[in-house]
Amino acid sequence: EPEVTQTPSHQVTQMGQEVILRCVPISNHLYFYWYRQILGQKVEFLVSFYNNEISEKSEIFDDQFSVERPDGSNFTLKIRSTKLEDSAMYFCASSDWRGSNEQFFGPGTRLTVL
Amino acid sequence: SQQGEEDPQALSIQEGENATMNCSYKTSINNLQWYRQNSGRGLVHLILIRSNEREKHSGRLRVTLDTSKKSSSLLITASRAADTASYFCATDANNQGGKLIFGQGTELSVKP
Repeated sequence: EPEVTQTPSHQVTQMGQEVILRCVPISNHLYFYWYRQILGQKVEFLVSFYNNEISEKSEIFDDQFSVERPDGSNFTLKIRSTKLEDSAMYFCASSDWRGSNEQFFGPGTRLTVL
Repeated sequence: SQQGEEDPQALSIQEGENATMNCSYKTSINNLQWYRQNSGRGLVHLILIRSNEREKHSGRLRVTLDTSKKSSSLLITASRAADTASYFCATDANNQGGKLIFGQGTELSVKP
């Protein structure tokens, strides 16, 4: 069964450094998302992406964040200058939206900012 | 505002018992989805119920939706130790590739 994959599974970085989190959505899906989950808290929406542009973003998704679909398969989330509070689990998701918006999630990347 | 609040926050039952988790939300929705998350792992989609549906079944799962009360419930029948996980409801207001808004989740523990 097709699945969303994410790399790396765990990323440790120093505060102020740039990180790129990578995702490979399900191949025939059209909508792509990033969510994050701070330890012990609920999953929060960051951004959605469709037709090569951001369709919606949350307040969390400030100028330090960017997304890109550099080729036909990858979908990346870049954090330019990481802060301690960026430490969280980051989930990529995709959906094909054929009458529903069932979103398929990847296993997540645990980002630790020191 | 909190969209999607589950109760109870934690539930501990014995294997074989039924587990019921509830979710309330605030704004109008197009559909509501339930996800499961094993500790430290990704989210697994369980079931989606549309706003014009009242009840849906999938194996041992039964989901109800009451749009007048803005609430949903997830029932897991004949629970197993492997059902131990966190369960989240997520609301979708848009249904056209829109964001999901998650609740805080219910942590279910099923004791063998």
